[in-house]
Amino acid sequence: GAGVSQSPRYKVAKRGQDVALRCDPISGHVSLFWYQQALGQGPEFLTYFQNEAQLDKSGLPSDRFFAERPEGSVSTLKIQRTQQEDSAVYLCASSLSSSYNEQFFGPGTRLTVL
Amino acid sequence: GESVGLHLPTLSVQEGDNSIINCAYSNSASDYFIWYKQESGKGPQFIIDIRSNMDKRQGQRVTVLLNKTVKHLSLQIAATQPGDSAVYFCAENMNGNKLVFGAGTILRVKS
Repeated sequence: GAGVSQSPRYKVAKRGQDVALRCDPISGHVSLFWYQQALGQGPEFLTYFQNEAQLDKSGLPSDRFFAERPEGSVSTLKIQRTQQEDSAVYLCASSLSSSYNEQFFGPGTRLTVL
Repeated sequence: GESVGLHLPTLSVQEGDNSIINCAYSNSASDYFIWYKQESGKGPQFIIDIRSNMDKRQGQRVTVLLNKTVKHLSLQIAATQPGDSAVYFCAENMNGNKLVFGAGTILRVKS
């Protein structure tokens, strides 16, 4: 069956540009998570949705980061006015529900800001 | 593919030997723990999980041990194979939703 997909897989942006990263979760999964993984480190939590509701955005590093999931399925992570420190792999994960269920990860989008 | 873990501790084992990867977690209130495997260019892949009311859980060729007293988690892989080479992360599940990942360990299997 289809897993979590993310697009684009690679994105190069010039400093100051806006980017949008897309996540297609597994069909029927209620919960969706975004993580940021810097090179050589473990993933770090950014934000979490249950259906269309954004229940936790405590990990978003600044107000330049914005995430949405308007219909409770596909999610978009938007980064405005990108900076070099935003360069990382952005991982999306989904699970059947939030509590104690396996999170299935997508392959990630590698963002490089020049 | 690009390496996931350039500055992580590395465990090198001979093919067929057993591997033990250790992890210290931070929050004594965490009650759910997961081990993930991450290969270069891919997202983390679930290996095994354990709830805090258990101290050991076994899967196929893998065993997770949990010591809540010292906040320590370990992953044992039996008869390690070349396909096991990857970066391994432990993660705490906070409040039933977000995951907090540890630093990671690179496992290299020598044939």
